[in-house]
Amino acid sequence: AQSVSQHNHHVILSEAASLELGCNYSYGGTVNLFWYVQYPGQHLQLLLKYFSGDPLVKGIKGFEAEFIKSKFSFNLRKPSVQWSDTAEYFCAVNEHNNDMRFGAGTRLTVKP
Amino acid sequence: GAGVSQSPSNKVTEKGKDVELRCDPISGHTALYWYRQSLGQGLEFLIYFQGNSAPDKSGLPSDRFSAERTGGSVSTLTIQRTQQEDSAVYLCASSTTTGTDTQYFGPGTRLTVL
Repeated sequence: AQSVSQHNHHVILSEAASLELGCNYSYGGTVNLFWYVQYPGQHLQLLLKYFSGDPLVKGIKGFEAEFIKSKFSFNLRKPSVQWSDTAEYFCAVNEHNNDMRFGAGTRLTVKP
Repeated sequence: GAGVSQSPSNKVTEKGKDVELRCDPISGHTALYWYRQSLGQGLEFLIYFQGNSAPDKSGLPSDRFSAERTGGSVSTLTIQRTQQEDSAVYLCASSTTTGTDTQYFGPGTRLTVL
């Protein structure tokens, strides 16, 4: 079964710092990749997704992620974080069998 | 329009009791997913439905867990003889189809087993 690894459990940054959250998956076939975000007290919501085409995907709020097939990775990046980015971020992988696997999540704390 | 709704929002039960959690997906969404979110454990996939059928039940943790969906809409997740380790937030999500579509999540049901 596929697995999704998010190596950073908790990341603490100051405002304007750059962010990169790691995500690796184990499945070697064709996959769809997602990043979801859960702001404090809110529902999980989609941040961005990759299905095919340009491996650099841009999402909402200035986030982007790059799919590197050779590394089985889909890292999330943002050049300059804001206090409002404080949230929990989940990477998810779907391998075309309609099943979605999530990583354990990375909690991001941005200090003002 | 209305999003995914779940009820109850909170449920406290005694060990050994049965509980039933409900999910109302977004109207027209054929795919429905159940997840469990435990502290520090991320999201654990439980089961998904395509219409009323559940092709993949592999995520259900034990035979105490079951789920059904009727009319291609509302789904219920039932946990029999609850145990303390069942305490978690149970999340439901729906999407227009399976696989590539964005999942829209509900607010979850926080289950506490005493």
